[in-house]
Amino acid sequence: GENVEQHPSTLSVQEGDSAVIKCTYSDSASNYFPWYKQELGKGPQLIIDIRSNVGEKKDQRIAVTLNKTAKHFSLHITETQPEDSAVYFCAASLSGSARQLTFGSGTQLTVLP
Amino acid sequence: NAGVTQTPKFQVLKTGQSMTLQCAQDMNHEYMSWYRQDPGMGLRLIHYSVGAGITDQGEVPNGYNVSRSTTEDFPLRLLSAAPSQTSVYFCASTGIFESNEQFFGPGTRLTVL
Repeated sequence: GENVEQHPSTLSVQEGDSAVIKCTYSDSASNYFPWYKQELGKGPQLIIDIRSNVGEKKDQRIAVTLNKTAKHFSLHITETQPEDSAVYFCAASLSGSARQLTFGSGTQLTVLP
Repeated sequence: NAGVTQTPKFQVLKTGQSMTLQCAQDMNHEYMSWYRQDPGMGLRLIHYSVGAGITDQGEVPNGYNVSRSTTEDFPLRLLSAAPSQTSVYFCASTGIFESNEQFFGPGTRLTVL
């Protein structure tokens, strides 16, 4: 089955700096890659996603890039703010949708004021 | 809309006891799923359902049972709880289209002694 590895497990940045989280996947047939943000005591919430026919997608301060050849994708957060502090999960799917996701192990992002 | 709701929020069981984790959604979503979240391991898929009367196994189904008698409800049953089932359980739902976002419930924290 699919395997998703996520790095780093913890990341601390100064407010206003950028943060980058990287994930690699094992199955080249995977075609949908969402990123979730999980705040303490809550369920994960989708923040951005990308499909395999696109190389990059942006939404305000958040961007995701996909390299299908290398089988890795990354989350970029610019101008970080304290409210960006949370656990971030990447995931991959063979279904082209949010069904049957394989998740990475998560990254605890801390934005220092 | 309440979205995805889960009850209870917390539960403590003794080894060998059984219980049912409740999940309901009011978005008329066809697809529902259960994940467990353990430290350092991300979320792992337990069971999923593509519609009323249809269920299938995910990555870690052993020790869990599900049924889907209505579109709204997708309960998860632990038949004989074991300490290895101590975890946080999340229910999620999404619509039938590939573009549909997946929504997660707030989670149930289960401890098995």
